[in-house]
Amino acid sequence: GQQLNQSPQSMFIQEGEDVSMNCTSSSIFNTWLWYKQDPGEGPVLLIALYKAGELTSNGRLTAQFGITRKDSFLNISASIPSDVGIYFCAGRVTSGTYKYIFGTGTRLKVLA
Amino acid sequence: DAGVIQSPRHEVTEMGQEVTLRCKPISGHNSLFWYRQTMMRGLELLIYFNNNVPIDDSGMPEDRFSAKMPNASFSTLKIQPSEPRDSAVYFCASSFSGGGQPQHFGDGTRLSIL
Repeated sequence: GQQLNQSPQSMFIQEGEDVSMNCTSSSIFNTWLWYKQDPGEGPVLLIALYKAGELTSNGRLTAQFGITRKDSFLNISASIPSDVGIYFCAGRVTSGTYKYIFGTGTRLKVLA
Repeated sequence: DAGVIQSPRHEVTEMGQEVTLRCKPISGHNSLFWYRQTMMRGLELLIYFNNNVPIDDSGMPEDRFSAKMPNASFSTLKIQPSEPRDSAVYFCASSFSGGGQPQHFGDGTRLSIL
């Protein structure tokens, strides 16, 4: 079946550093979503991407829809302690459907 | 504004018992999703409702699982009989679009079946 691989699985960074993570698929997707999940809470939608090559920002977060349509990237600039959490990507193969496949997550830990 | 509200937050019960999870979507949202999250399988879509109608329940593991949405402000996910492998965090999410993304998740119900 379809799988979304997220990399890295986990990372420790120093406060103030920039963070990069990615999500890759064996299938072509037409929508990419990025979520953040804090412990004991549900995922929170951060950014949605709809076109190949699209670059969208939300504060210090920037996500890109890969031009091959098989990958997406999330960057966090000047990380702060509250960036700690698990970041999930989710992709949709077919427009107008509700079936999103979620990635395995990247666990981010920020050292103050 | 209140987000998606799920109850209970935690449930511990013995195998064989009936379990009912509840969800109140955000007012005005017409799409509702039930997801299950485990370490092994991540987030999996169980069932999707649009305008209170189940559109796709192909993700429901087996006949022991059932979901209903009697009105726009309430949905239940029931497991009967429950088994230890059903232990997981169950999330409800809602959105305001027919084929759109699950925009707003509740905080989940952590279910433990002993």
